[in-house]
Amino acid sequence: QITLKESGPTLVKPTQTLTLTCTFSGFSLSTSGVGVGWIRQSPGKALEWLAIIFWNDDKRYRPSLKSKLTITKDTSKNQVVLTMTNMDPVDTGTYYCAHRRGGATTTGGVFDLWGRGTLVTVSS
Amino acid sequence: QSVLTQPPSVSGAPGQRVTISCTGSSSNFGTGYDVQWYQQLPGTAPKFLISGNNNRPSGVPDRFSVSKSGTSASLAITGLQVEDEADYYCQSYDTSLSGWVFGGGTRLSVL
Repeated sequence: QITLKESGPTLVKPTQTLTLTCTFSGFSLSTSGVGVGWIRQSPGKALEWLAIIFWNDDKRYRPSLKSKLTITKDTSKNQVVLTMTNMDPVDTGTYYCAHRRGGATTTGGVFDLWGRGTLVTVSS
Repeated sequence: QSVLTQPPSVSGAPGQRVTISCTGSSSNFGTGYDVQWYQQLPGTAPKFLISGNNNRPSGVPDRFSVSKSGTSASLAITGLQVEDEADYYCQSYDTSLSGWVFGGGTRLSVL
């Protein structure tokens, strides 16, 4: 059974750096084709893909946020970490990590299992 | 503005059939990347519902189906039930953005 759980601060101040951790079980990020992505949802808004990391350490970022984001993995701990610098109130929202299932490529695929999400508020 | 375009809302009565459209472009659906649909019940995380080849995870009823044509896709729900009331999102991969894209979401109301 695959599970994912997001953790991190619920409140950050503007200009601070946010660090979120996705701890997962039931799969290995060493297995070909596997990826873990981060998706966020501002209050009342649509889903927005942020970043993804793959079994081969390939990383992709949302172009408009690429300078703010860093995604890393610790395969031994079954964790994926997302850092987002220079936080702004517009970054307030619920952040989800999700398991990506696809072929042995680093494009396409489906986010077939999601964590419950963690709400991050950016406010002074 | 989302790369994939969905209607903001649709509604239907219990037992009826509704469809939710998702319009893409040559850089996503047009390149052959598949469409996925997600259901987000109120106050919960999104859940993978169905993919463009009508592949459904275990537990998703066959009342949900997908059709595709060119750069558009549609999610159909037959035999509408009150528990289907949720937000629905389409998703694909976009080669121009080199990333994963979602539609703006459609709120389904079951009257």
